[in-house]
Amino acid sequence: NAGVTQTPKFQVLKTGQSMTLQCAQDMNHEYMSWYRQDPGMGLRLIHYSVGAGITDQGEVPNGYNVSRSTTEDFPLRLLSAAPSQTSVYFCASQGGYTGELFFGEGSRLTVL
Amino acid sequence: EDKVVQSPLSLVVHEGDTVTLNCSYEVTNFRSLLWYKQEKKAPTFLFMLTSSGIEKKSGRLSSILDKKELFSILNITATQTGDSAVYLCAGSKAAGNKLTFGGGTRVLVKP
Repeated sequence: NAGVTQTPKFQVLKTGQSMTLQCAQDMNHEYMSWYRQDPGMGLRLIHYSVGAGITDQGEVPNGYNVSRSTTEDFPLRLLSAAPSQTSVYFCASQGGYTGELFFGEGSRLTVL
Repeated sequence: EDKVVQSPLSLVVHEGDTVTLNCSYEVTNFRSLLWYKQEKKAPTFLFMLTSSGIEKKSGRLSSILDKKELFSILNITATQTGDSAVYLCAGSKAAGNKLTFGGGTRVLVKP
């Protein structure tokens, strides 16, 4: 089973560039979310979606956009990358409320 | 604003030692407290605690929740080098699936 698939795994950007982190899940989960992880700060919620066509902001949404056109896909867009967005990004999904988030393997982004 | 705080930030133990990790939370409309283990990549689920005072166990790991004092502990007994990881706790709300994570405790188990 593929589970949650994120691409790319690594990316280096220059300040001001834009890019999209892709996330796809094959578990038919309604809930999907994006987190960023910085040293000593745990995981912070960027955006989340409770189903196709529905998205909402998390704790740190500024500088990021999301959309949810299908149940499977939840891309995260950086509109104009800044060095403060250097981080490891995790996409996660959850089916119903089991407490268990299924995470992708992470995408390490460096903004120069 | 919801907040989850973990302590200690890090610790180093030797194989066979017992480890106790702490997690305190302030989450409005709190539902559950969750523990995850993160080794090199993505976090993996350990426990979900919803009721106060009921211990959950999985092998050498156990956890308990105190909803009056707003904290949870995770115990690891007879530690092994494979227990070396960052342990994350997270609080969830009664409505929706949003989790608020703590900063994690890094555990290093030396042979």
